[in-house]
Amino acid sequence: DGGITQSPKYLFRKEGQNVTLSCEQNLNHDAMYWYRQDPGQGLRLIYYSQIVNDFQKGDIAEGYSVSREKKESFPLTVTSAQKNPTAFYLCATEPGQGSSGLFFGSGTQLSVL
Amino acid sequence: SQQGEEDPQALSIQEGENATMNCSYKTSINNLQWYRQNSGRGLVHLILIRSNEREKHSGRLRVTLDTSKKSSSLLITASRAADTASYFCATGLSQGAQKLVFGQGTRLTINP
Repeated sequence: DGGITQSPKYLFRKEGQNVTLSCEQNLNHDAMYWYRQDPGQGLRLIYYSQIVNDFQKGDIAEGYSVSREKKESFPLTVTSAQKNPTAFYLCATEPGQGSSGLFFGSGTQLSVL
Repeated sequence: SQQGEEDPQALSIQEGENATMNCSYKTSINNLQWYRQNSGRGLVHLILIRSNEREKHSGRLRVTLDTSKKSSSLLITASRAADTASYFCATGLSQGAQKLVFGQGTRLTINP
């Protein structure tokens, strides 16, 4: 978890509301990733960014949006279009292509009220 | 369907015993990675093995890769209570995590 800060740890969303999950890193890593984890499941890629001001859709991008205005920050917005948002969201960084794997934050648990 | 599938889904052993988890996949890969996740926490990277490698060690961990059988195994020797966690394999279809596909994990319980 060191070097990657996700906040808040727990988040509740009301019907029709957009919510934003924060991910900040001080590892000076180029690439950042957002994953969704459902109970008993593996991780699924939502969005990723390999460089500032550029990002790409992952496998399950519908209902989510991101921005990458700074190298250190990669916030994820869960929009009202995401009809099943309850999940554990994980942010990760990677120092470079083909390196030694991903570094993960401690996650945000999002639940619907 | 999942690219990487772990077996077994759950494993319970006594402290001091060895634990073996397996991962099978379907397509050619660039690398295969193993991660550990404690309950409610983020994942921790354990080992990355490239497609041209057959075995890697890190402390009490040993990973093997058999590309002809499209399978990998993670062996944890002399298990400790602190090894209790879920273990995930992730197959990298290319360099860079944008093509990294995670399996559903093996839940390992070490009984004192």
